[in-house]
Amino acid sequence: KAGVTQTPRYLIKTRGQQVTLSCSPISGHRSVSWYQQTPGQGLQFLFEYFSETQRNKGNFPGRFSGRQFSNSRSEMNVSTLELGDSALYLCASSLDREGTGELFFGEGSRLTVL
Amino acid sequence: KNQVEQSPQSLIILEGKNCTLQCNYTVSPFSNLRWYKQDTGRGPVSLTIMTFSENTKSNGRYTATLDADTKQSSLHITASQLSDSASYICVVSAKGGFKTIFGAGTRLFVKA
Repeated sequence: KAGVTQTPRYLIKTRGQQVTLSCSPISGHRSVSWYQQTPGQGLQFLFEYFSETQRNKGNFPGRFSGRQFSNSRSEMNVSTLELGDSALYLCASSLDREGTGELFFGEGSRLTVL
Repeated sequence: KNQVEQSPQSLIILEGKNCTLQCNYTVSPFSNLRWYKQDTGRGPVSLTIMTFSENTKSNGRYTATLDADTKQSSLHITASQLSDSASYICVVSAKGGFKTIFGAGTRLFVKA
């Protein structure tokens, strides 16, 4: 069974640009959540989707957005990039409908903003 | 306020030694507590998951304990190996919606 796949793994952008990251969950998982992790920091929750609906959102500015498609694949977008957006962006999928189940993480997309 | 606090922030031990990591939480109503291991630059991997009724759960050299009364959990690593060098993250979920709180993690360094 394939795990959670995130693309791209690494990318470099400049300030002001926008970026789109993709996450393919484990087959059958309908919940996808996104996290930002900066060096030395814990995981900061961005948002979570279940069956194409955003169920929960963290405390991030509106420049951070996401969506989920009917096949459960998810994308997140960051517009008008800032230096502080440089981070490892992790996606996790879950089988659990209630949002309390085990999370299976991808390897992450490492974004560097110059 | 739902919070998860982990201690110590970082820890250095010699290979072969045991260590214990702590997690205190105030998440309510409690659903489950999980420990994850995250190697540098990689995604976290689940070690254990415990519900309210479970006191202890093991995964190889990793043993997690849960005291739901005091809202404390610990992760004990036995006979540490160099490959145990990683961040260990305590994650607590509340019932009713997507309320999953992450601890800041404990950074473990195992030295030869």
